[in-house]
Amino acid sequence: SQTIHQWPATLVQPVGSPLSLECTVEGTSNPNLYWYRQAAGRGLQLLFYSVGIGQISSEVPQNLSASRPQDRQFILSSKKLLLSDSGFYLCAWGDSSQSVGGQETQYFGPGTRLLVL
Amino acid sequence: AQSVTQPDIHITVSEGASLELRCNYSYGATPYLFWYVQSPGQGLQLLLKYFSGDTLVQGIKGFEAEFKRSQSSFNLRKPSVHWSDAAEYFCAVGGTGGFKTIFGAGTRLFVKA
Repeated sequence: SQTIHQWPATLVQPVGSPLSLECTVEGTSNPNLYWYRQAAGRGLQLLFYSVGIGQISSEVPQNLSASRPQDRQFILSSKKLLLSDSGFYLCAWGDSSQSVGGQETQYFGPGTRLLVL
Repeated sequence: AQSVTQPDIHITVSEGASLELRCNYSYGATPYLFWYVQSPGQGLQLLLKYFSGDTLVQGIKGFEAEFKRSQSSFNLRKPSVHWSDAAEYFCAVGGTGGFKTIFGAGTRLFVKA
């Protein structure tokens, strides 16, 4: 079966410091990968998605970037964190081979809570 | 453009009572609809999904949802709520390509003894 991992689970970082959050998927190949941010008490905001190695699409302009160095690895980064980067970051994968009419189901990791002070 | 509205920010029900969480969507073609549940500090877990066929969809944990095209709704129901159902519930609608799944703002469910 497929599993998705995220780490770290919790992170406290000072303003201006760099960031690297990692997401890996097991048990599938060539998944679509997603990074979402969830601000406190709010819904999910899609940040980035990737359909393959080195292919990244950004949904909103921001202080963050994403990379996909391997098929099942998705990394969210920042060179200098802002206070507004605080939130709950969720990675998700979708199996495009199981899609119906182009629509897939997304499965989420456990999330990383980031607090920027 | 597609959108999802969950009209209730939070709902409180008594344990053992029935539950209905509302979800309305806007999408020009046949929607693909999902319900997810999120416990505090956790990721989202898929409860059920509707792609086509029978408009009454059964999910995990005793949940079901009914797709009503005429009302643009996909409400989530459970006949008898357990204390462990307290969580936040998200409705989502997807379009073609899978990359534009849109999530509602969520409904937080509180269960009282």
